[in-house]
Amino acid sequence: NAGVMQNPRHLVRRRGQEARLRCSPMKGHSHVYWYRQLPEEGLKFMVYLQKENIIDESGMPKERFSAEFPKEGPSILRIQQVVRGDSAAYFCASSGQAFYEQYFGPGTRLTVT
Amino acid sequence: DQQVKQNSPSLSVQEGRISILNCDYTNSMFDYFLWYKKYPAEGPTFLISISSIKDKNEDGRFTVFLNKSAKHLSLHIVPSQPGDSAVYFCAAMMGGSQGNLIFGKGTKLSVKP
Repeated sequence: NAGVMQNPRHLVRRRGQEARLRCSPMKGHSHVYWYRQLPEEGLKFMVYLQKENIIDESGMPKERFSAEFPKEGPSILRIQQVVRGDSAAYFCASSGQAFYEQYFGPGTRLTVT
Repeated sequence: DQQVKQNSPSLSVQEGRISILNCDYTNSMFDYFLWYKKYPAEGPTFLISISSIKDKNEDGRFTVFLNKSAKHLSLHIVPSQPGDSAVYFCAAMMGGSQGNLIFGKGTKLSVKP
């Protein structure tokens, strides 16, 4: 499967726990983007990363959220001390040099109870 | 403050007829526009795109029209097929942006046999 991989597909966390979402980009892609989709809403940009660098985090909440894309391994979106309002679908996308050609993974559906 | 607006939450079309999905935007700095298709529990799939220097782009049954003066674009699907039933998202990117796609809220298309 050469597409964008995300895991887990579904994640349930209790309030106050940590959530870790993983994304493996498409083979040959070095740019990773994270988006969040709340119910009945469009996707909202969160962060753009290249290997070992955060390029644009203008859409990331200032607290509790962090992202990384290490030299080896998948990109990780980390949410600390989750609250009910964090319940959403989180999508990862990747691209090559053409930023606008972003290919999306199947998403991780986070439910906070 | 929605920069990309899809004012029709849903659209129902008969199989074989034309589907027209509309999108309006407010930011004249957008220079690239894309349409994505999304099935439930899946990530968005790229359909077709258009640069702001063009007014039309065709790919098989899909055509996107851009009217810069009206800040409006539309996606035409001809002929519509039941498999086209999905949510369609319009997205835009600003010149100089490094991958921050701004999405509309989506239009749910139902194609009836």
